[in-house]
This record gives sequence, structure tokens and C-alpha cells, in this order.
Amino acid sequence: QSALTQPASVSGSPGQSITISCSGSSSDVGGYNYVSWYQQHPGKAPKLMIYDVTYRPSGVSNRFSASKSGNTASLTISGLQAEDEADYYCSSYSAINTRVLFGGGTKLTVL
Amino acid sequence: QITLKESGPALVKPTQTLTLTCTFSGFSLTTSQEGVGWIRQPPGKALEWLALIYWNDDKRYSPSLKTRLTITKDTSKNQVVLTIDNLDPVDTGTYYCAHRLRGTAPPTYYMDVWGNGTTVTVSS
Repeated sequence: QSALTQPASVSGSPGQSITISCSGSSSDVGGYNYVSWYQQHPGKAPKLMIYDVTYRPSGVSNRFSASKSGNTASLTISGLQAEDEADYYCSSYSAINTRVLFGGGTKLTVL
Repeated sequence: QITLKESGPALVKPTQTLTLTCTFSGFSLTTSQEGVGWIRQPPGKALEWLALIYWNDDKRYSPSLKTRLTITKDTSKNQVVLTIDNLDPVDTGTYYCAHRLRGTAPPTYYMDVWGNGTTVTVSS
């Protein structure tokens, strides 16, 4: 069981928007702005999509945005495209034992 | 352009020690703020952060695995080595090394460039 909770799956049609949630606690997601999101296509390495809750690394599409409210972070993908179909993982720093936590991952299906 | 490549044995026996090497280019671990980390992924499961080493030899470990992990660097070879002691079949998975995103202050561990991963099976 992962320390950060994500829905196992979400789906959407091309052009639509979807949101993936990532629920933690006040010791991690809620206590620090150190949340990141990774995209992973099957058989590939993860790709950093968001860091510091809302920032996109250079080269990441602005269709990807993120936010945080309380102990829950969210990733929103707008204008869904077939290439967005992948697994998405949230991650957060945790003050408990100064560790890095990952969520269990969310499989995004583009219908 | 930053690249990283993992290498190591594909099959190891339980109780043995696993040694994984990450060979990188495009940056130097002698440069301030640089870091290289290891993350693993059991088949069909989520990512798990293992360890990170900074340019100044500061090291961070997953608390749950700390007693079994050792991370070191060889700056002359542009390599980072991770050893895992006392292997168990649950250690089976794909092991990635990755570059820590520059410009973000510790204790952030954002990994912006990843290797392709190396698959390790622990079995007798």
C-alpha cells in the first residue's frame, strides 16, 4: 500500500480534460510544496511533468497543470490526446524520516 | 545533453548482494547542486525511491531500506554505484538511475532525466 493515494484509473475522450488526485497527509503533501508528477508509458522510464506542485519543466506541454489543496494534490490534463495515455505517479517529500513518497499510480485511458 | 545508463546483473540469488552502476554524461558530480538518484519498480507496481547522492557526497536513503543500501560515486568515471545487501525475491524489478533537477533546493528530489532502467530478477 502506497503512502500517497491515487485512483487506480481514470479515462477521458480526446479533447476532454481529466484530473488525477493524490491524497497524502500534513507530513507530506499538505505540509510542503514539494509535490511532483511523473508520466510513464508502458516499458519506458518515467518523465517528470510537474515539480514544486505547479511548475512544468522545459518541454512539457502546457496542457498539463497541477495544484494542491490541503493534503491533496491534483494533476489536470486538458485537451486530451492519445499520446497522453500512460501511468501517472505523484510524489512528495515527507518529513517523516525525511523520505520521498510515491503514489500507487493512475492509469489514464484515452477512449 | 544529459544521459544516464544503468548496468548490472540480470539475475541474482537470494541473500546475495546486488551492485548496480549508473554511468552518466552531460554533467559532473563535482558541480554544486548536482545529484543522482536510484528508483526501482517491481513488475506491474509503483515506483519506489531508493537513494540519492549529491555532488558534496551527501547521501540520502529510503528509511525502510537504509540498512541494506549503499550509494557511492566515482567522479573520475562519471559513475554512481548502488549496492543492495541481502537480496530477496521482493527486490525483483526494474532499477532506474536518474539526474536530480537542477535549481531546486533540498530536500527536493525531482528527477528530470532518467536512464532506460535495468531489470533485476532475484531467484534461486
